Amino acid sequence: AQSVAQPEDQVNVAEGNPLTVKCTYSVSGNPYLFWYVQYPNRGLQFLLKYITGDNLVKGSYGFEAEFNKSQTSFHLKKPSALVSDSALYFCAVRDDNTGGFKTIFGAGTRLFVKA
Amino acid sequence: DSGVTQTPKHLITATGQRVTLRCSPRSGDLSVYWYQQSLDQGLQFLIQYYNGEERAKGNILERFSAQQFPDLHSELNLSSLELGDSALYFCASSVVPTGYNEQFFGPGTRLTVL
Repeated sequence: AQSVAQPEDQVNVAEGNPLTVKCTYSVSGNPYLFWYVQYPNRGLQFLLKYITGDNLVKGSYGFEAEFNKSQTSFHLKKPSALVSDSALYFCAVRDDNTGGFKTIFGAGTRLFVKA
Repeated sequence: DSGVTQTPKHLITATGQRVTLRCSPRSGDLSVYWYQQSLDQGLQFLIQYYNGEERAKGNILERFSAQQFPDLHSELNLSSLELGDSALYFCASSVVPTGYNEQFFGPGTRLTVL
């Protein structure tokens, strides 16, 4: 079965510094990977996805993610963090081994950006 | 605003009761997904519908059921409620359920079982 792991419960970054939120995956077949963000008391919002092609994927709000097949990773990055980036970030993978297409979400990583 | 609406926003009820959560997908989206988010279990996929038919099932309890109606709105029914069912319930929608498409999430319904 497909799975994703987010090894860090929390990431702390100073405003203006680069940020990385880590995600590793395990799939049989081609990986279809997603990042979502959840702000307090809100639903999840889509940031970006990797289906095929370029290993560097650009998304919303200046975020990007690097797909690394050899390391089975899909880390989320941003060159310069903003206080408003503080939120809960979820990595997700498509699971198509169960007769339907569902999305498996990681446990989430809470990002704190300090001014 | 994702375009996905969920009602009610908050629901407080007692153990043993039954509740219905409602979701309207984004205009044009044919697929609806239900998720449960709790502190100890994280974000759990419950069930998925596409154009009125069930397409995928996740960790949905037998006490829970869902359906998608001809107008594409969906309802999640939770019965014989237990304290542990207290959680945020999200609905999401996508154009088609291929798994390639991103999902658009509603604001959620916060269920409190007392």
